[in-house]
Amino acid sequence: DAGVTQSPTHLIKTRGQHVTLRCSPISGHKSVSWYQQVLGQGPQFIFQYYEKEERGRGNFPDRFSARQFPNYSSELNVNALLLGDSALYLCASSLAVNTEAFFGQGTRLTVV
Amino acid sequence: KQEVTQIPAALSVPEGENLVLNCSFTDSAIYNLQWFRQDPGKGLTSLLLIQSSQREQTSGRLNASLDKSSGRSTLYIAASQPGDSATYLCAPTNTPLVFGKGTRLSVIA
Repeated sequence: DAGVTQSPTHLIKTRGQHVTLRCSPISGHKSVSWYQQVLGQGPQFIFQYYEKEERGRGNFPDRFSARQFPNYSSELNVNALLLGDSALYLCASSLAVNTEAFFGQGTRLTVV
Repeated sequence: KQEVTQIPAALSVPEGENLVLNCSFTDSAIYNLQWFRQDPGKGLTSLLLIQSSQREQTSGRLNASLDKSSGRSTLYIAASQPGDSATYLCAPTNTPLVFGKGTRLSVIA
């Protein structure tokens, strides 16, 4: 069985641009969560979706948005990129809310 | 607001040692607690999940305990190997996962 897949693996963007990150959960999993991890810190929660509905939102500005599609895949969008948005973006998949989470390999975003 | 602290922040041990990583959290109203491993620049690999009703979970050389009432969990690694070198993260779950900064482990051959 395929694990959680994220694309792209690496990305370089310029300040002010927009970026879309994608995540495909494990087959049968209906919940997807997004996390941001900056160097030396633990992952910080951005969004959680379950059955295509937002179930939680972390302390991130409105420049960050996400959605979950009918096939349970998800996109994270970030507008008006700042240098401080440079980080590893992680997607986690789980059967439901509060069940065991499995992470993808992440997308390394660099904003220059 | 859940806060997670992991002690020590970094640990360097010779191969073969048994070691304990500590995790404390402030809100005991959790559904479960997961321990993860993270290699540099990579995603998180789930090691163990302890349900809130459990006190212990084992997988191979790993054993994790949970004392929900005191807000503590420990990860015990037996007979450490160089391949165990990584950052270890604990995350209690009461929607969403909340992480500390982790413990960076180096096992020297």
